[in-house]
Amino acid sequence: ETGVTQTPRHLVMGMTNKKSLKCEQHLGHNAMYWYKQSAKKPLELMFVYSLEERVENNSVPSRFSPECPNSSHLFLHLHTLQPEDSALYLCASSQDPPGGADTQYFGPGTRLTVL
Amino acid sequence: QKEVEQNSGPLSVPEGAIASLNCTYSDRGSQSFFWYRQYSGKSPELIMSIYSNGDKEDGRFTAQLNKASQYVSLLIRDSQPSDSATYLCAVNRHTGNQFYFGTGTSLTVIP
Repeated sequence: ETGVTQTPRHLVMGMTNKKSLKCEQHLGHNAMYWYKQSAKKPLELMFVYSLEERVENNSVPSRFSPECPNSSHLFLHLHTLQPEDSALYLCASSQDPPGGADTQYFGPGTRLTVL
Repeated sequence: QKEVEQNSGPLSVPEGAIASLNCTYSDRGSQSFFWYRQYSGKSPELIMSIYSNGDKEDGRFTAQLNKASQYVSLLIRDSQPSDSATYLCAVNRHTGNQFYFGTGTSLTVIP
């Protein structure tokens, strides 16, 4: 069973709603990631936190807001999303040695539908 | 140019055959290479990681890396219907946390 959990597993929201996705890793890792996976597209890296500091933000719209209160928890706050934001949102974690990151382990994902 | 390219498939092989999946990458600074398997509706699951040129074997799976050609492949021997999935190739520059994924190759193993 995966050491990375995500809740909720499915989420349907309107464009004016505010919701949050939660990720928790039980692997003792020090880096966490949010990815977006849309049909026929490669995984898109959205945010990276290493040692609880954001180190990557790949031009993600401000309607997505990450939060990493500690090395085990990661949130993605959603606000006024668009229908094209409907996708599978995956959380991952890795153990980050100096100078780089090792293998990533993924959570089960949250299937998001924006109406 | 895409960072990581894979043939999207679908690739179909009969049960018991060898399935060969290929991946090329554009950044010569890439140091770490990964193959993930993703079943429909599920999250990616790590199969193999490889860091040095040559072959790495794990059970029925063999990863091959050629940094000079910027090429990494995955061979699945004695393919089983349970191997039917999408296989994702990923690379990491190892100087940061930027992982790049291909679009994946869909594999179907026919009983």
